[in-house]
Amino acid sequence: AQSVTQLGSHVSVSEGALVLLRCNYSSSVPPYLFWYVQYPNQGLQLLLKYTSAATLVKGINGFEAEFKKSETSFHLTKPSAHMSDAAEYFCAVTSPGGYNKLIFGAGTRLAVHP
Amino acid sequence: DVKVTQSSRYLVKRTGEKVFLECVQDMDHENMFWYRQDPGLGLRLIYFSYDVKMKEKGDIPEGYSVSREKKERFSLILESASTNQTSMYLCASRFQLVLNTGELFFGEGSRLTVL
Repeated sequence: AQSVTQLGSHVSVSEGALVLLRCNYSSSVPPYLFWYVQYPNQGLQLLLKYTSAATLVKGINGFEAEFKKSETSFHLTKPSAHMSDAAEYFCAVTSPGGYNKLIFGAGTRLAVHP
Repeated sequence: DVKVTQSSRYLVKRTGEKVFLECVQDMDHENMFWYRQDPGLGLRLIYFSYDVKMKEKGDIPEGYSVSREKKERFSLILESASTNQTSMYLCASRFQLVLNTGELFFGEGSRLTVL
């Protein structure tokens, strides 16, 4: 069975500081991993995804994530936070083929203060 | 522009009422999904449909049913609403790609309150 754990339900950073949102996964088969973002009163949108090509994945709005198989992690980072990054972030895992489900983590709410 | 439209942003219903949540996508996607979002629990899959008239149970199907008579429309039905079904409901769709790497496109959500 697959699962996702996001460490920290709330993260607060200063504007301009490094953003680090943690995601660890469990999967018995090679995973595909995703980060989605949800702005207030909106649905989710894709930030980036890992599908077994390059382990360092770049996404929209300056975010990137690195797949580390040895650590079963897919942490999301951004060098310099902006006020507009305040949102909830979800890590998700699935596996190749068929109609496999996308399993979401519990989410991390990012606050950015001046 | 990609669009997934959920018919109601906010609904208030009474216990025992039948509730319909409608979702329409304009991207000719094969797959459609209904998730439930609760604080601290993330998104949990209720049902998904990989094509017209096809449906599969997700992780929490109890108390829900679905209908997909047309490719663009996926309906979630609560036969007899209960207070523990108070939640945010999110619809999503995607192309069915062989390697399951397709991006999900989400609607803005329907917040249901059951009194």
